[in-house]
Amino acid sequence: DGGITQSPKYLFRKEGQNVTLSCEQNLNHDAMYWYRQDPGQGLRLIYYSQIVNDFQKGDIAEGYSVSREKKESFPLTVTSAQKNPTAFYLCASSTGPEASPLHFGNGTRLTVT
Amino acid sequence: GQNIDQPTEMTATEGAIVQINCTYQTSGFNGLFWYQQHAGEAPTFLSYNVLDGLEEKGRFSSFLSRSKGYSYLLLKELQMKDSASYLCAGMDSNYQLIWGAGTKLIIKP
Repeated sequence: DGGITQSPKYLFRKEGQNVTLSCEQNLNHDAMYWYRQDPGQGLRLIYYSQIVNDFQKGDIAEGYSVSREKKESFPLTVTSAQKNPTAFYLCASSTGPEASPLHFGNGTRLTVT
Repeated sequence: GQNIDQPTEMTATEGAIVQINCTYQTSGFNGLFWYQQHAGEAPTFLSYNVLDGLEEKGRFSSFLSRSKGYSYLLLKELQMKDSASYLCAGMDSNYQLIWGAGTKLIIKP
């Protein structure tokens, strides 16, 4: 079955440590996205990529970094520069930047103490 | 600015009908999406409207009025498994999604 896999589901880190969240898709989608979800707020876009080896900052990119070396993979690194990293992180993909539905992974809940 | 408004929480009874409203302000408009999200899980796509009117998909229907900047999601014959958050998202002229905070729907027996 095609889908998006995020791992791990839960992640705990100490302040000052960088951490990388994995996102893999086998839907053959060109576009991939990282969102952050906080209670009481809408999804906020961190980074997105429409093609391999290219990505753009979203609304809240500060303190995050990504890479897109393969079509299937779009890992997100939460750096120590991110002031409030504890959140639920969702990876998504779509066929392209046009009005096509997003397919989401099951999310990674990151807790930084 | 761009904004999506939807109620924070709604309660309904099993077997009944509920309507979840969403108003939007976007820079340009390329459609309105509804997603369902169970607690701790991934959002899943429910519907997409870009033209005015009602789109029906089984127990779920979605309506759009572009002149009013308004949409609603209608859920009929409610089941306990419909307890979830419902996310409204508008797509602007750059094909960027603007998300509402979600409406938590509680179904009571």
